[in-house]
Amino acid sequence: DAMVIQNPRYQVTQFGKPVTLSCSQTLNHNVMYWYQQKSSQAPKLLFHYYDKDFNNEADTPDNFQSRRPNTSFCFLDIRSPGLGDAAMYLCATSRDRAGFTYEQYFGPGTRLTVT
Amino acid sequence: KNEVEQSPQNLTAQEGEFITINCSYSVGISALHWLQQHPGGGIVSLFMLSSGKKKHGRLIATINIQEKHSSLHITASHPRDSAVYICAVRGSGGSNYKLTFGKGTLLTVNP
Repeated sequence: DAMVIQNPRYQVTQFGKPVTLSCSQTLNHNVMYWYQQKSSQAPKLLFHYYDKDFNNEADTPDNFQSRRPNTSFCFLDIRSPGLGDAAMYLCATSRDRAGFTYEQYFGPGTRLTVT
Repeated sequence: KNEVEQSPQNLTAQEGEFITINCSYSVGISALHWLQQHPGGGIVSLFMLSSGKKKHGRLIATINIQEKHSSLHITASHPRDSAVYICAVRGSGGSNYKLTFGKGTLLTVNP
């Protein structure tokens, strides 16, 4: 049973053309994360939502935005993709409560190509 | 120096061999994750540990909090175990939502 679903699995966009990646989850987890992973590198956290609260990492470019319209869905918007934004984008979720650490569940990723 | 160090970086084994991958970290943590990523694929969470030992099938993960060290063992390795294995730690205190990742260990199991 799919728990963290990402669509599409592969996305090709043109330089400068806005693109949206989608993540949905059936786990009812309150925290959702977006990571960027470039070839042979570790995933890099871009931002996360803790419930409805958006938390941006300090070094995430302004070109990257996110929306979470409800608990189940989270979107990553890249306003003007550059060639350097080509990467695997990973969505993850976790159920967090103050003082308790829960496991992160990852989606299969969306591989973005910028032409 | 990376806060999470994995060794070895690359590991080649013959089918059936016992595999050990090590992870050392230098920060206080609330949990440690072992993750698996097949080439070009997404990430699968194998274990989350905060103490002791966990076992799932042929996989065993241990952690020693005092020594800031964890190991992932694979018994009776199989070619389908070939993947990158990533150690990631979750910080303690105010930043405990973040995972800090090791660089990964590329495991190749030959038939």
